[in-house]
Amino acid sequence: EAGVAQSPRYKIIEKRQSVAFWCNPISGHATLYWYQQILGQGPKLLIQFQNNGVVDDSQLPKDRFSAERLKGVDSTLKIQPAKLEDSAVYLCASSAGTGGTDTQYFGPGTRLTVL
Amino acid sequence: DQQVKQNSPSLSVQEGRISILNCDYTNSMFDYFLWYKKYPAEGPTFLISISSIKDKNEDGRFTVFLNKSAKHLSLHIVPSQPGDSAVYFCAASGVGGGADGLTFGKGTHLIIQP
Repeated sequence: EAGVAQSPRYKIIEKRQSVAFWCNPISGHATLYWYQQILGQGPKLLIQFQNNGVVDDSQLPKDRFSAERLKGVDSTLKIQPAKLEDSAVYLCASSAGTGGTDTQYFGPGTRLTVL
Repeated sequence: DQQVKQNSPSLSVQEGRISILNCDYTNSMFDYFLWYKKYPAEGPTFLISISSIKDKNEDGRFTVFLNKSAKHLSLHIVPSQPGDSAVYFCAASGVGGGADGLTFGKGTHLIIQP
């Protein structure tokens, strides 16, 4: 079974530019998550989708971050405009169901550097 | 406000001995706890979990203990092997409403010495 795919793996941009990350979850997984992991910290949830609907986006900085999950499969996370403090690894995860005990499987992440 | 705390940034253990990683939490709403393992340049990998209705869960060399009254959990690895060297994250979920995103600690870097 293929795992969670993310691209690009690395991205370097200058502040005030925009950037987009792509995630393809495990086939058939209903729930998709985006996490931000700043160096030295644990991952922090940004947004949770169930199919193509948003379940939780309480920690998403909505003035600059946006995310969508069209057709309940792939998802994109966008930052516009980027700030220096957005430098982090952006992790996508998926789980089969919506119960709290469903295992979340993580992709390898996209490392973003904002100069 | 850190709701999940791992107070040891790193831990060094000799191969073959027991590794004990600790985690504390503050949110009483959490009812499910997990440990993830992370190698460099990879995403976190699920290791083991425990529900709040249990106090122990075992899977091979890995055992997680939960002390609800103390809001504390620990991961025991016996015996420790070189491949166990990684960053271990404690995570929790269960705030309800269908929102089951995980709240992570900062991680403990486990180093297994040969």
